[in-house]
Amino acid sequence: NAGVTQTPKFRVLKTGQSMTLLCAQDMNHEYMYWYRQDPGMGLRLIHYSVGEGTTAKGEVPDGYNVSRLKKQNFLLGLESAAPSQTSVYFCASSNRIYEQYFGPGTRLTVT
Amino acid sequence: AQTVTQSQPEMSVQEAETVTLSCTYDTSESDYYLFWYKQPPSRQMILVIRQEAYKQQNATENRFSVNFQKAAKSFSLKISDSQLGDAAMYFCAYRRLYSGAGSYQLTFGKGTKLSVIP
Repeated sequence: NAGVTQTPKFRVLKTGQSMTLLCAQDMNHEYMYWYRQDPGMGLRLIHYSVGEGTTAKGEVPDGYNVSRLKKQNFLLGLESAAPSQTSVYFCASSNRIYEQYFGPGTRLTVT
Repeated sequence: AQTVTQSQPEMSVQEAETVTLSCTYDTSESDYYLFWYKQPPSRQMILVIRQEAYKQQNATENRFSVNFQKAAKSFSLKISDSQLGDAAMYFCAYRRLYSGAGSYQLTFGKGTKLSVIP
């Protein structure tokens, strides 16, 4: 039981490049989330999904897209990376009850 | 919209002493969950403790306990017998009890960095 895993753990992009972050969970959770963490800002919700095939915008969705084609996977895409997207990205999953389980995070640097 | 405020960006405590981290929140809902998460230098988010708003009794997990004041919308974390491994960022978080058509997303405070002095 791996919980929530994220790929990759680190990435450096040049401005304008694209990439996809992969999140996978093996707990059969319905709900999945992408957050970004910036210094002094806590974690802020980018997008979320309430089930396979569904996605919705969170607090800071601009510049990101997501897909949930399979229940266990939640992908976060950056089509044209900008320096403002330099951050640590966390994926999380949950059921209706109680807490969210977090992945180990991805540190992304956009130069 | 719900907001969570942690007014102490940094705190320090002597090893074996007790420290209290503050958190206040704003919501119009009557039922919800509150959480404290710990983030050590490894970056992993670790759940420390959970409080259901409909429970009057304060939650306790070993050396960690909360002081939940619903009317004041206050949710502080007390760490007793502090250990070097307690050094981390601590985040207070809020979650609605019922999602309706939305998600069970967490609203986080900005965090408190706790240092433990040997």
